[in-house]
Amino acid sequence: DQQVKQNSPSLSVQEGRISILNCDYTNSMFDYFLWYKKYPAEGPTFLISISSIKDKNEDGRFTVFLNKSAKHLSLHIVPSQPGDSAVYFCAASERVGSKSTFGDGTTLTVKP
Amino acid sequence: NAGVTQTPKFQVLKTGQSMTLQCAQDMNHEYMSWYRQDPGMGLRLIHYSVGAGITDQGEVPNGYNVSRSTTEDFPLRLLSAAPSQTSVYFCASGRLGNLETQYFGPGTRLLVL
Repeated sequence: DQQVKQNSPSLSVQEGRISILNCDYTNSMFDYFLWYKKYPAEGPTFLISISSIKDKNEDGRFTVFLNKSAKHLSLHIVPSQPGDSAVYFCAASERVGSKSTFGDGTTLTVKP
Repeated sequence: NAGVTQTPKFQVLKTGQSMTLQCAQDMNHEYMSWYRQDPGMGLRLIHYSVGAGITDQGEVPNGYNVSRSTTEDFPLRLLSAAPSQTSVYFCASGRLGNLETQYFGPGTRLLVL
């Protein structure tokens, strides 16, 4: 049973518009959530995180929203830029500093 | 500061062959791990280590061995390669208590025929 799900394998957005990437989870013990970004032929890089005591965390153009009752989180990128085109992985862990479980990723394409 | 390095970048094996994927980090991180990524799927944890001499199994450990004799190195061994092990392998390291900022290597692409 997949505990972290990213139901949209791909997303295409026009430059300057908002990109919204979604992630659902089933394990109620998950307490800490992360987003990673991955370019082709490179390893993933950490993007932004949020703990369950918050419902929003912002870092520049990137904002993560957490709806714990719905077991849902989303990553908003605004404005989207062509350089944001990458695979985005959602990950969750049961506490800060513990191992993460990853979703399957969403490929974002930002068109100029 | 090289970060996390992995060798080789690409490898082709025949079924039944053995090989070792190398991983090294120069950040003095306690935690190191190996993931595999199959097409259209996320990263699945194979093995991890919280310090020299300590290793543990992740989500998909079968067919793989690891050892951690030094803080810097964490090799992954395939004793008898199978086509199901065709994948991209990522090594990562991080500080215990701050694993959300794991640093990943560039990956090793493995093809088992």
